[in-house]
Amino acid sequence: EPEVTQTPSHQVTQMGQEVILRCVPISNHLYFYWYRQILGQKVEFLVSFYNNEISEKSEIFDDQFSVERPDGSNFTLKIRSTKLEDSAMYFCASTEGLAGGTDTQYFGPGTRLTVL
Amino acid sequence: AQKVTQAQTEISVVEKEDVTLDCVYETRDTTYYLFWYKQPPSGELVFLIRRNSFDEQNEISGRYSWNFQKSTSSFNFTITASQVVDSAVYFCALLNTDKLIFGTGTRLQVFP
Repeated sequence: EPEVTQTPSHQVTQMGQEVILRCVPISNHLYFYWYRQILGQKVEFLVSFYNNEISEKSEIFDDQFSVERPDGSNFTLKIRSTKLEDSAMYFCASTEGLAGGTDTQYFGPGTRLTVL
Repeated sequence: AQKVTQAQTEISVVEKEDVTLDCVYETRDTTYYLFWYKQPPSGELVFLIRRNSFDEQNEISGRYSWNFQKSTSSFNFTITASQVVDSAVYFCALLNTDKLIFGTGTRLQVFP
């Protein structure tokens, strides 16, 4: 069964460093998403991406964040200058897109980012 | 405003007990979509079910069943004859445009 994959599973970085989190969505999916979950809290939407551009972003997704689909398979989230409060689990998700953005979102296993 | 409320923070049961996880949502949309996801201790988010607002039929899948009631804006999830492997955090979510709005989750602990 196709699944969303994410690398690395755990990333440790120093405050102020740039990190890139990588995702490979399910191959025929058209919509891509990033969510984050601070430890013990609920899952929060960061950004949605369709047709090579951001379709919606939350207030969390400020200028420190960017997303890219550098090739036909990867979808990346970059944090330019990490802060302590960026420590969280970051989930990538994708949907088929046959019904616009209303299809079921399938999530990857997450990348745990720890900022020291 | 779009909102999902899971008032139960944590529930503990003994194996084989039935348990119901509550979810109440708020939306102004006439067409909307609701979801349940499971987050086991390993951390991933596992899709369980999707419900469209125009389909009020309740659904059963093995030991899992879902009760969707538009009149009370609720989408509750029942596990029958719970098992230790059901121990996880369960999230209810509402689709708003193309983003999911999650509730705060209910941690279910099933003891042997």
